[in-house]
Amino acid sequence: NAGVTQTPKFQVLKTGQSMTLQCAQDMNHNSMYWYRQDPGMGLRLIYYSASEGTTDKGEVPNGYNVSRLNKREFSLRLESAAPSQTSVYFCASRVDRRNEKLFFGSGTQLSVL
Amino acid sequence: GDSVTQMEGPVTLSEEAFLTINCTYTATGYPSLFWYVQYPGEGLQLLLKATKADDKGSNKGFEATYRKETTSFHLEKGSVQVSDSAVYFCALLGQAGTALIFGKGTTLSVSS
Repeated sequence: NAGVTQTPKFQVLKTGQSMTLQCAQDMNHNSMYWYRQDPGMGLRLIYYSASEGTTDKGEVPNGYNVSRLNKREFSLRLESAAPSQTSVYFCASRVDRRNEKLFFGSGTQLSVL
Repeated sequence: GDSVTQMEGPVTLSEEAFLTINCTYTATGYPSLFWYVQYPGEGLQLLLKATKADDKGSNKGFEATYRKETTSFHLEKGSVQVSDSAVYFCALLGQAGTALIFGKGTTLSVSS
């Protein structure tokens, strides 16, 4: 069972570079999420997709864009990376809004120099 | 808006000690409440949940009771093990059901 798969696991960028974090789930879930985890801040929601074809901003969307490519895949793009975006990024999914259980990927550790 | 506040860590205990990690919440209506656990190098996993007042969630020896009168959902375990060392997150899902809101996390370190 793969569950939620994130790539890459580690990435180092220079300020101003762009990149896309990939996330795919094989559980036929409708809802997908991107969180960032920072020391002392816990997890903060960046963007989410309640269902295929929809995306919405979370608590900290600035500097990010997302694409729900299909039901399985939900990518997060940094157009012009900044040091403040150094963080661990987690993708998560759940069946739908009525089901509370969230399944997480193993994370992407991103450093922006 | 909805929010979760949990005790600051780190919490350092000896094996077989009693554990309490405090969690309080602010939300309108009747949210569902959760504890997630994150082991080193991994994503979060659901530990237990409670969906209505006075419900008790339990799993792997951990327990938490949904107390609406005190807006709390404290995590307890009677006898911790070294393998319980991890970061614990309290979370809520509001009535709108949009997304989980997490506390800042509490690091637990258990020594033998």
